Amino acid sequence: ETGVTQTPRHLVMGMTNKKSLKCEQHLGHNAMYWYKQSAKKPLELMFVYSLEERVENNSVPSRFSPECPNSSHLFLHLHTLQPEDSALYLCASSQDRGLATDTQYFGPGTRLTVL
Amino acid sequence: GESVGLHLPTLSVQEGDNSIINCAYSNSASDYFIWYKQESGKGPQFIIDIRSNMDKRQGQRVTVLLNKTVKHLSLQIAATQPGDSAVYFCAETSSLYNTNAGKSTFGDGTTLTVKP
Repeated sequence: ETGVTQTPRHLVMGMTNKKSLKCEQHLGHNAMYWYKQSAKKPLELMFVYSLEERVENNSVPSRFSPECPNSSHLFLHLHTLQPEDSALYLCASSQDRGLATDTQYFGPGTRLTVL
Repeated sequence: GESVGLHLPTLSVQEGDNSIINCAYSNSASDYFIWYKQESGKGPQFIIDIRSNMDKRQGQRVTVLLNKTVKHLSLQIAATQPGDSAVYFCAETSSLYNTNAGKSTFGDGTTLTVKP
């Protein structure tokens, strides 16, 4: 609907597993974002990529590893996660180079549960 | 359906009434504000924005009011409909963040429930 798709929509993983979240935008945008949305907490920015270059990393633990192979695709690689990492992970994109005033278009999110 | 001046985590209104959702922000340097709507099972969706050189902006059935003196933002929805039921939250950022891309601070959400 928004032009930003995310897979999988739901993921359950153990603490020793390795998994990846995928985001794809069909809008021709140049900037992509990963956010974490936990219950009862505001949206938290994790990573920002502009023209495939990481321009923001908000002190995210190294067990989360982003990858942006091109301006249309964004991955979040997960390994040795903790139960407190269970949350909705949202991907977004914006047209320009990730200016603060760019309108961001969000995907539907991946609901992650870490057992 | 009003919660003037206060941020409430939930708001319940009757269909056809007007709704007011409030947000307080903390950074005096913020000069750009956005309201998002998030329906169940979906990502946030941009509704309306406002820059600090304005105190009011209107869209289709929605109005955003900005009071910089008390650092307060509100979203008014006219003739609220069942399809308006969602979580609404505000975001603040600064146009100075041209080199620190996408740095916005998001508020706590308000869950709006519209009763038929």
